[in-house]
Amino acid sequence: DGGITQSPKYLFRKEGQNVTLSCEQNLNHDAMYWYRQDPGQGLRLIYYSQIVNDFQKGDIAEGYSVSREKKESFPLTVTSAQKNPTAFYLCASSLTGDLYEQYFGPGTRLTVT
Amino acid sequence: QKEVEQNSGPLSVPEGAIASLNCTYSDRVSQSFFWYRQYSGKSPELIMSIYSNGDKEDGRFTAQLNKASQYVSLLIRDSQPSDSATYLCAVNRGISNFGNEKLTFGTGTRLTIIP
Repeated sequence: DGGITQSPKYLFRKEGQNVTLSCEQNLNHDAMYWYRQDPGQGLRLIYYSQIVNDFQKGDIAEGYSVSREKKESFPLTVTSAQKNPTAFYLCASSLTGDLYEQYFGPGTRLTVT
Repeated sequence: QKEVEQNSGPLSVPEGAIASLNCTYSDRVSQSFFWYRQYSGKSPELIMSIYSNGDKEDGRFTAQLNKASQYVSLLIRDSQPSDSATYLCAVNRGISNFGNEKLTFGTGTRLTIIP
C-alpha cells in the first residue's frame, strides 16, 4: 500500500521541549512539504524539500528545523523557540515534472502546555 | 487582499442539489489550481486539479477555471451527506516550477449537505 505516514497522531509536550514529528512516504515522490494548520487559517508552509540533502524555508520556518537524509523521510523538529507550537501539522509529498499534485499524510496534532 | 479567497460559509445545500464553491486568487501568473476536501479532524484529500481555462469533470465533481477573471470554482452535483466537509482551494505561486511548487491555500468553505 503506497502512502504517506505520520507519527504519532497525537503528541503532548511541555513548553521548552523540542519535539520531532515523523513523516515517511513510499510513493517514490521527490518533493516533500511540511504545513501547519490553525483554526480559521489556511495551511501555512513551514519547509519543503525537492531532493535529498536539500530543503528550503517556507513562510513560517522560524522555530522549526528539518532534515532530508533519505528520499522517503522528512522529519520536522519543533524547537522551544517556536512561540505557538500547538497546531495540526501536515506532511505532504509530490512528484516533480508534469504531475505535481500534493498529497497529504494523516497529520500530527501537537499540543504544548 | 488575500492571495486566495474563499467564502468561509457555512454553505448549506439540500441533498441531491448542486453545491457551488468559489475561489478567487490574486497572482495573475498562477497556473495550477487544486481543490481539497477536508473532513473535521482529518487531513486534506485532493479531489480535483485544473491547469487550463474551462471545465474539468470527474464523476460528480466539476472544476471551472477562468484565468482572466482569476476565478476557480468547484461544482458538486447530486450532493450527498458524505460531501459535508470543508473544501480548500489551493493555487501555485508564480510561474510553475514543475515540482517545486509552493501552494497558497484559502481558509476553506464549510459545506453542509442537508438530508
